[in-house]
Amino acid sequence: DTEVTQTPKHLVMGMTNKKSLKCEQHMGHRAMYWYKQKAKKPPELMFVYSYEKLSINESVPSRFSPECPNSSLLNLHLHALQPEDSALYLCASSQFVQAQGPTYEQYFGPGTRLTVT
Amino acid sequence: QKEVEQNSGPLSVPEGAIASLNCTYSDRGSQSFFWYRQYSGKSPELIMFIYSNGDKEDGRFTAQLNKASQYVSLLIRDSQPSDSATYLCAVKGPDRGSTLGRLYFGRGTQLTVWP
Repeated sequence: DTEVTQTPKHLVMGMTNKKSLKCEQHMGHRAMYWYKQKAKKPPELMFVYSYEKLSINESVPSRFSPECPNSSLLNLHLHALQPEDSALYLCASSQFVQAQGPTYEQYFGPGTRLTVT
Repeated sequence: QKEVEQNSGPLSVPEGAIASLNCTYSDRGSQSFFWYRQYSGKSPELIMFIYSNGDKEDGRFTAQLNKASQYVSLLIRDSQPSDSATYLCAVKGPDRGSTLGRLYFGRGTQLTVWP
């Protein structure tokens, strides 16, 4: 089973709202990722968690706040977003971060389509 | 910045033909290579991965890796209209310094298979 789930599927929020995106995996993976993807562009890495600790923050604005409550869950808290933050937000997981070969295959969830009005 | 380049596309082939997708990468220390398929409005789906020089076959898909030439390709045999999607090449850099844990994506090649 290579399933990563994300909720909600769609989210519309105003610039003053606070919302959260959720991601869950039950593959026993110890690395989880947040990506942002704009139309016709490849995914853009935002954050990486390894063993529930933040290991990479790609200089993402503080209006995006990640959280990893346990090894299966990953949240992305959103506050005071801008219209240009509208995008597909993807969660992914892999067995490990520091690995090559089969233990690094990243599996993506279905994504949350975010629209900021 | 690690470079991953894909043939620009879009690529259009008739049903039943072989579609050839190409990718080059700049970091000679890269060891793991992935192909993702992404349908419009959907998330990327891992379809092939390769770690050793040579060919790897899975059904109608064949991935080819040549580390000396820093080149990886994906061949789709007997292409079907359902193969129409954007194909993303992704390369994992060496586990050191700034490349640790990162997957570098090409810009993608849009494939259309017409009946």
